[in-house]
Amino acid sequence: QAVVTQEPSLTVSPGGTVTLTCGSSTGAVTSGHYPYWFQQKPGQAPRTLIYDTNNKHSSTPARFSGSLLGGKAALTLSGAQPDDEADYYCLLSYSGSSVFGGGTKLTVL
Amino acid sequence: EVQLVQSGAEVKKPGESLKISCKGSGYSFATYWIGWVRQMPGKGLEWMGIMYRGDSDTRYNPSFQGQVTMSVDKSISTAYLQWSSLKASDTAIYYCVADGYWGQGTLVTVSS
Repeated sequence: QAVVTQEPSLTVSPGGTVTLTCGSSTGAVTSGHYPYWFQQKPGQAPRTLIYDTNNKHSSTPARFSGSLLGGKAALTLSGAQPDDEADYYCLLSYSGSSVFGGGTKLTVL
Repeated sequence: EVQLVQSGAEVKKPGESLKISCKGSGYSFATYWIGWVRQMPGKGLEWMGIMYRGDSDTRYNPSFQGQVTMSVDKSISTAYLQWSSLKASDTAIYYCVADGYWGQGTLVTVSS
């Protein structure tokens, strides 16, 4: 089974910009992996931010965007707010199965 | 608006069976997909498997194949995740997710 890698932790200043990445042990991440991004705050269920690389879910704030960058899927947060402090997970699809990354703990400080 | 409401927390003993549910509204399980996700205490998310168009095409993550059974009753818009013999290592929160919408999670505790 493929291994999906994310930065364990990142810090961003309020109002700043940060990019989280999602890599695959099988090679470059492409649109064919249908990358998803999720946000999870302590004690809450996850919520979907991005699907199929760069499509925003219905309630996703405009400051979040998804892309492919340097062979990885990427989630960019522009204009970070304290409320964005959370764990972020990516999910990649591989011919009938899917694998989560280990998650990135984002601190807004 | 799509809503997924999961059944309540469960406390079980090792070896017991269990079936938890996820009821959807504003969403057709017969048309789209529904997946299940495990989150063990203090850990990350794990993809368990997915059912497309009801249960006409069900795909399990290899780690969960043979350990759980996913099913759906389209007539009542409810998906199920079941175990025939629970282990202590099944202790976790289980989430259903459909087309990007998440249930609130069901905490399953398995302890003797």
